[in-house]
Amino acid sequence: QQQVKQSPQSLIVQKGGIPIINCAYENTAFDYFPWYQQFPGKGPALLIAIRPDVSEKKEGRFTISFNKSAKQFSLHIMDSQPGDSATYFCAAGSEKLVFGKGTKLTVNP
Amino acid sequence: NAGVMQNPRHLVRRRGQEARLRCSPMKGHSHVYWYRQLPEEGLKFMVYLQKENIIDESGMPKERFSAEFPKEGPSILRIQQVVRGDSAAYFCASSPRAGYVGYTFGSGTRLTVV
Repeated sequence: QQQVKQSPQSLIVQKGGIPIINCAYENTAFDYFPWYQQFPGKGPALLIAIRPDVSEKKEGRFTISFNKSAKQFSLHIMDSQPGDSATYFCAAGSEKLVFGKGTKLTVNP
Repeated sequence: NAGVMQNPRHLVRRRGQEARLRCSPMKGHSHVYWYRQLPEEGLKFMVYLQKENIIDESGMPKERFSAEFPKEGPSILRIQQVVRGDSAAYFCASSPRAGYVGYTFGSGTRLTVV
């Protein structure tokens, strides 16, 4: 009940493409769903987060879509850039977070 | 306004030695969380502390690991008698109050056990 399943494991897109990363959770008590971006050798940085009372949240080029009934949420990156190449982690929780295993995104120029 | 500070950035220990990892939270933050990241894995929760209190240590291995957050000074994650399997990146995050999950992570300590 504590797992968060993330897919795909890796993703390669061309500059300008729209990579989509998906996550599924099991615990219906979770009420906070953030996405983190991590560059090699760095700590995870909070990118965007959503609460279960909304179905979509947009911040700049990053959008979270949330489907409460399916217990799934996804990250879309619009107009992706080579500088977006990083590992992305979804997470879910209420006070402590359960993380997915990460998606390594490569954006080719 | 400094972020969460962790030191050392890299730590090498021989099997059987002790490792001490330090975390200074953001100014005004009194809640600290420790997470561990194994290679090619996501972060896993270890322990949540307030000043002078352990709130949740459900993710801590039962033996060899301990954590504290004293009234003064940084939070310390202590690993006694390290083994190769302890090699990982250890991240600390801080928040200003209970129930606040939009916390900020430090840059981590990368522990290598040789």
